[in-house]
Amino acid sequence: NAGVTQTPKFQVLKTGQSMTLQCAQDMNHNSMYWYRQDPGMGLRLIYYSASEGTTDKGEVPNGYNVSRLNKREFSLRLESAAPSQTSVYFCASSVSGTRGPDTQYFGPGTRLTVL
Amino acid sequence: AQSVTQLGSHVSVSEGALVLLRCNYSSSVPPYLFWYVQYPNQGLQLLLKYTSAATLVKGINGFEAEFKKSETSFHLTKPSAHMSDAAEYFCAVRSNTGKLIFGQGTTLQVKP
Repeated sequence: NAGVTQTPKFQVLKTGQSMTLQCAQDMNHNSMYWYRQDPGMGLRLIYYSASEGTTDKGEVPNGYNVSRLNKREFSLRLESAAPSQTSVYFCASSVSGTRGPDTQYFGPGTRLTVL
Repeated sequence: AQSVTQLGSHVSVSEGALVLLRCNYSSSVPPYLFWYVQYPNQGLQLLLKYTSAATLVKGINGFEAEFKKSETSFHLTKPSAHMSDAAEYFCAVRSNTGKLIFGQGTTLQVKP
């Protein structure tokens, strides 16, 4: 049982390049999330998917797109990377995002640098 | 709207001393509250959560937190710090749409 996995672990991009961050969970969770972590700002929600087939914007969605490929996989795409997107990106999943004190389980993160 | 404030971005304690990390929340509905820990170069791991069943919540690694509605607080404590407790700690509140809203984080340093 791997939990939440993310690829790649590290990535360096040049301004304007595109890339997709991959996330998968093997816990049969319905809800999945993408966050970015910046120093002194905690974690901020980029996009989330309450269930397979649905996606919604979070607090900081500009410059990103997401795809909920199936129940297991939730990818985050940067179409044209900017230095402001240099950050650590975390994927998380939970049984259901809409009920009760649902615990979110986090992946190990992707450290992205945009030059 | 819900929000979380963590008082103190850095806390330093000696090994064996009391750990106290402060968290205050704002919520218009009875809150669900969480403490997560992040060790260097790792993802976040749940320490404990408040679900309204009991005001004193015990978590992993000897941590506990007390929900105080009158003070809108959910401070994290541990009686005796260990070197392995050095990490960043995040308080979070669940919004009424199900999303987690995180505080800014508190880095705990443990000195030998």
